[in-house]
Amino acid sequence: EIVMTQSPATLSVSPGERATLSCRASQSVSSNLAWYQQKPGQAPRLLIYGASTRATGIPARFSGSGSGTEFTLTISSLQSEDFAVYYCQQYNNWPTTFGQGTRLEIK
Amino acid sequence: QLQLQESGPGLVKPSETLSLTCTVSGGSISSSSYYWGWIRQPPGKGLEWIGSIYYSGSTYYNPSLKSRVTISVDTSKNQFSLKLSSVTAADTAVYYCARRALGPFDPWGQGTLVTVSS
Repeated sequence: EIVMTQSPATLSVSPGERATLSCRASQSVSSNLAWYQQKPGQAPRLLIYGASTRATGIPARFSGSGSGTEFTLTISSLQSEDFAVYYCQQYNNWPTTFGQGTRLEIK
Repeated sequence: QLQLQESGPGLVKPSETLSLTCTVSGGSISSSSYYWGWIRQPPGKGLEWIGSIYYSGSTYYNPSLKSRVTISVDTSKNQFSLKLSSVTAADTAVYYCARRALGPFDPWGQGTLVTVSS
């Protein structure tokens, strides 16, 4: 089973600033990686798939990059609604696995 | 717009079987392009994939749960279901159903909390 490790566990950033979240896979997952946003009491929402393709309706300030074992989610200018928990998911190998999440909080 | 809704008991006794149903609206569960899956999230913790099913009935389970999980589909009702047997407190979680394309899950149901307790 591929282990997905996200860092940092918590990231404190001020509104308007850039946030960079990392996700590392224990072995290569090619570009078969997705990012999700989860707000309290809500289901996860798909942000990025294929490591860098934004899902329908996702603002351009969200961008994903990376391949193989190292991936990054960047939020270019944080809005108040972006403070949430973010998860990565690999779907290159069975079973699909998720990272433990990064909590993005207001500084 | 595709929507998914989980339903089922919110409280299950230890050693019993957890049963949930996901009703799909705004689209057909018989689409050849998608799988349908269950994912769970213990309180305050991360996400764990439980299993997925194709409209034909082909199933794929997480090896860690495979011995206790059964997922089935009812195309006539546009529903798919989860059964998890011999539950313990460790199975207490919010259970989500979701559509799965080639890899990612989208969209998700709102989730339903299932508590295992006597």
